Amino acid sequence: KQEVTQIPAALSVPEGENLVLNCSFTDSAIYNLQWFRQDPGKGLTSLLLIQSSQREQTSGRLNASLDKSSGRSTLYIAASQPGDSATYLCAVVSNDYKLSFGAGTTVTVRA
Amino acid sequence: DGGITQSPKYLFRKEGQNVTLSCEQNLNHDAMYWYRQDPGQGLRLIYYSQIVNDFQKGDIAEGYSVSREKKESFPLTVTSAQKNPTAFYLCASIHGVEAFFGQGTRLTVV
Repeated sequence: KQEVTQIPAALSVPEGENLVLNCSFTDSAIYNLQWFRQDPGKGLTSLLLIQSSQREQTSGRLNASLDKSSGRSTLYIAASQPGDSATYLCAVVSNDYKLSFGAGTTVTVRA
Repeated sequence: DGGITQSPKYLFRKEGQNVTLSCEQNLNHDAMYWYRQDPGQGLRLIYYSQIVNDFQKGDIAEGYSVSREKKESFPLTVTSAQKNPTAFYLCASIHGVEAFFGQGTRLTVV
């Protein structure tokens, strides 16, 4: 069974600081890894998708890396802003097409 | 607009009643999923379906049922056997390798 773990569970930083969010998974047989953002009471917004053959993806201030062999991914958010405050979720699609999630990292960026 | 539509946004259920949550997608995606989210917790997989007329149990399927009679629709029924149904329910679909989500249904037992 695929287990996805996100560390830390919560993070509070002053505006302008860089954010580093970690995700680990137990079964390296994955199709892809996807990072999502969730605002309170809302659905999920996709941020970045890394396919299993890729090492990283970038979008604006966001960069995600994937090391499939060690079962790890890291999401970097540069120059954080108060609008970045949200819960960030990591998800993997395994070879049996199950989509498994971590518990998330709740980020607070202080103005 | 292409996307996933969940309805209703809020749902109240009396104890002992079955209720059905709707999930419709016009993205022509094959795979669809139902998740439950409790406050401060991650998403737990209830059921998923890779093709029409086929579906598999996820990690917490007890007390729930689904059907997949059409590619675009994957309704979830919360039965009276589900002892603690109050939660936020999210539906998703996958095309190729990317997952897309609806805006969720918040179910409350009164």
